[in-house]
Amino acid sequence: DGGITQSPKYLFRKEGQNVTLSCEQNLNHDAMYWYRQDPGQGLRLIYYSQIVNDFQKGDIAEGYSVSREKKESFPLTVTSAQKNPTAFYLCASSIQGRSSTGQFFGPGTRLTVL
Amino acid sequence: ILNVEQSPQSLHVQEGDSTNFTCSFPSSNFYALHWYRWETAKSPEALFVMTLNGDEKKKGRISATLNTKEGYSYLYIKGSQPEDSATYLCAFISGSNDYKLSFGAGTTVTVRA
Repeated sequence: DGGITQSPKYLFRKEGQNVTLSCEQNLNHDAMYWYRQDPGQGLRLIYYSQIVNDFQKGDIAEGYSVSREKKESFPLTVTSAQKNPTAFYLCASSIQGRSSTGQFFGPGTRLTVL
Repeated sequence: ILNVEQSPQSLHVQEGDSTNFTCSFPSSNFYALHWYRWETAKSPEALFVMTLNGDEKKKGRISATLNTKEGYSYLYIKGSQPEDSATYLCAFISGSNDYKLSFGAGTTVTVRA
């Protein structure tokens, strides 16, 4: 089955530690995205990538980093510089930006920083 | 960050009743509007991608309309069923960057049997 996988589902880290969230897709999509969800707010875009080896900052990129070395993979690193990292993180992909089918989402990772 | 608002934040509907709710977005530089359904413990799933003023789209008992000139979209659920319980998200895409979606906070619908 084609889809997007994110791992782990729940992640706990101590304050000051970097942590990397995994996102893999086998949909052959060019574009991939990372969103963050906080209670009462809409999904906010952290980073996105249109093609391999290219990525762009979204609206809330500070304290995060990404890489796009392979088409199917778009890992997100939450660094110690992120002031409030506890949140629910969603990865998504689309055929291309101007997609007529919308974005496809993974199941999400809930990160809790203790 | 573009301002996209959804109202109400939540609503409760009796099974069999119909309901609707709103997504408001900037009326300038419109490119597209997406609607997603997000059920508990699942991933958000695209319902509609709307691009033209006056668009009406339908999927089963769920339909949506689009008014780009005044900056709003309505989502309708006809004859609500318990399986319609979910959070419904809208996302606006401007012509300036077609990769960036600006999401509203969602409307959470609970259908009571």
